[in-house]
Amino acid sequence: DVQLVESGGGLIQPGESLRLSCAASEFTFSTYALSWVRQAPGKGLEWVSGISGNGGSTYYADSVRGRFFISRDNSENTLYLQMNNLGPEDTAVYFCAKSPGDYNHYYFDHWGQGTPVTFSS
Amino acid sequence: QSALTQPASVSGSPGQSITISCTGISSDVGAQRYVSWYQQHPGKAPKLIIYDVTNRPSGVSNRFSGSKSGNTASLTISGLQAQDEADYHCRSYTSINTLVFGGGTKLTVL
Repeated sequence: DVQLVESGGGLIQPGESLRLSCAASEFTFSTYALSWVRQAPGKGLEWVSGISGNGGSTYYADSVRGRFFISRDNSENTLYLQMNNLGPEDTAVYFCAKSPGDYNHYYFDHWGQGTPVTFSS
Repeated sequence: QSALTQPASVSGSPGQSITISCTGISSDVGAQRYVSWYQQHPGKAPKLIIYDVTNRPSGVSNRFSGSKSGNTASLTISGLQAQDEADYHCRSYTSINTLVFGGGTKLTVL
């Protein structure tokens, strides 16, 4: 079965940076687009960023563009999200999600269990 | 990139049918066939239940169905069961190559 396991979440202070990872297994990693989706406490889902299979195309929501950077290491089957200049609005559970093909418009057929990022004042 | 509009909550009794709407604009829901729906139980990851407006993944009950008219997509659940109680999220691709979710709808089975 497809496995997506996120890690790297934790407590954050104003202006800090954090890098999330998503380790994938049981599928040919480099041939699928991946995304990060977050969910603030008690709120709906928010798409954050997406990346093509070879990493050559990246996409961002306006709320994070210029602060967050998505990347992937196809030799390690790992997806990353570098998050800079963090603030309270970034408090959320961050999920990685896989598409069934190498296009950003595809739906998400598999999700990880999420890693929490919590703002600490 | 405004979120798609969903009702905050809907409810129904076992055996009844309910419909959840998901309203966007002409450059997202209205322009695309790439609308999908996800079911999320508390503390769990979302699960795909409808993709490309009307398609059901293998293993998803045929009590779940999707449709679209203009800028509004809809999810219908027929023959409500207790285990259907969950949050439901719609998602659309947009004409500027981004993705947008709705605010989520909490379904209560009475």
